[in-house]
Amino acid sequence: GEDVEQSLFLSVREGDSSVINCTYTDSSSTYLYWYKQEPGAGLQLLTYIFSNMDMKQDQRLTVLLNKKDKHLSLRIADTQTGDSAIYFCASGGGGGKLIFGQGTELSVKP
Amino acid sequence: EAGVAQSPRYKIIEKRQSVAFWCNPISGHATLYWYQQILGQGPKLLIQFQNNGVVDDSQLPKDRFSAERLKGVDSTLKIQPAKLEDSAVYLCASSLEAGVGETQYFGPGTRLLVL
Repeated sequence: GEDVEQSLFLSVREGDSSVINCTYTDSSSTYLYWYKQEPGAGLQLLTYIFSNMDMKQDQRLTVLLNKKDKHLSLRIADTQTGDSAIYFCASGGGGGKLIFGQGTELSVKP
Repeated sequence: EAGVAQSPRYKIIEKRQSVAFWCNPISGHATLYWYQQILGQGPKLLIQFQNNGVVDDSQLPKDRFSAERLKGVDSTLKIQPAKLEDSAVYLCASSLEAGVGETQYFGPGTRLLVL
């Protein structure tokens, strides 16, 4: 079945760049999403990329998509302590159904 | 614009009891989703509604879970009877439509603990 995989933890120093990686199996995925979840809160959409693009930049966020390898990454420039959260990658196809990864916990140390 | 509202925020019950969760989507959103998020995992879709009709309930354990969206707006998700493994966060999301690329907006979730 469809699957999305992420590494579980990432720790960086404040001011460094963070790169969170994700792989997916569904080749029919049309959109790929990054969501952020802070403790006790729901999921907040950060950004998304259409499958015919290979890069999207939005302020401090850069999404890279390698469709051939089914690999997606999220780069956060100048990471701040407020960026500490769990980041979920999700693939979306027809009908709006999202398949989520298990989440990457980002820890930003001052 | 108000976001997706859910209640209660927390619920503790004993196994074999019943529980119900409520969701009010963003105004005008035709599509509503219920997800189950077990600790340490990503959300898993339980059921998707388009207006008051079910689009996808393939992952809903129908022997104990039920959901309805009678007037195409609010929705309730019920578990009867609850099992220990139902302990999770239940997230409701909504989107304008169900098409490809439609952004889903999530509520804060209901945290359920089954003892």
